[in-house]
Amino acid sequence: NAGVTQTPKFQVLKTGQSMTLQCAQDMNHNSMYWYRQDPGMGLRLIYYSASEGTTDKGEVPNGYNVSRLNKREFSLRLESAAPSQTSVYFCASSASLLTYNEQFFGPGTRLTVL
Amino acid sequence: ELKVEQNPLFLSMQEGKNYTIYCNYSTTSDRLYWYRQDPGKSLESLFVLLSNGAVKQEGRLMASLDTKARLSTLHITAAVHDLSATYFCAVGDNDKIIFGKGTRLHILP
Repeated sequence: NAGVTQTPKFQVLKTGQSMTLQCAQDMNHNSMYWYRQDPGMGLRLIYYSASEGTTDKGEVPNGYNVSRLNKREFSLRLESAAPSQTSVYFCASSASLLTYNEQFFGPGTRLTVL
Repeated sequence: ELKVEQNPLFLSMQEGKNYTIYCNYSTTSDRLYWYRQDPGKSLESLFVLLSNGAVKQEGRLMASLDTKARLSTLHITAAVHDLSATYFCAVGDNDKIIFGKGTRLHILP
């Protein structure tokens, strides 16, 4: 099992460009999450999907959109990138509250917006 | 709104010493997590604590939970250089978990 995979690993964008970060999990988990990590800020939740067909905003959703494409895949889109979105983005998944929602993380995408 | 505070945020310690990282949270929760992150890497789950008085140990790390005080501790015994990393606590909030800012631990040989 690959666990949680993310593409790309690195990306440089210019202000105003758009891009989509891809995330997939092969653990048959119900819930998926997108976080951003900035120095000294810990991880902040952008959006999450508690189950296929649902998405909800987290702490810092502005400037982002998400799509839960199917049970395996959850993508994060930046429509018009800004320098403030320079960050490391992590995708995570968890089975359900029955398994205490322990989250498993992907390797991350390092995004720089110039 | 659930808030999670860790302290200290930075810790430099000598090998062989003991130390404790503290995690306080602001509202009732039924689960607490500890994660480890090495520089440039992803997060690795260490412990899941589910009930008051829960204690879990793995090697030189021991985590405990006091739900009445809304406090968890991560205790390091006889630290070794390999434990240098950033440690995050996170607290369950319905379908989500809320992370603390992390404790960057540097263990000097």
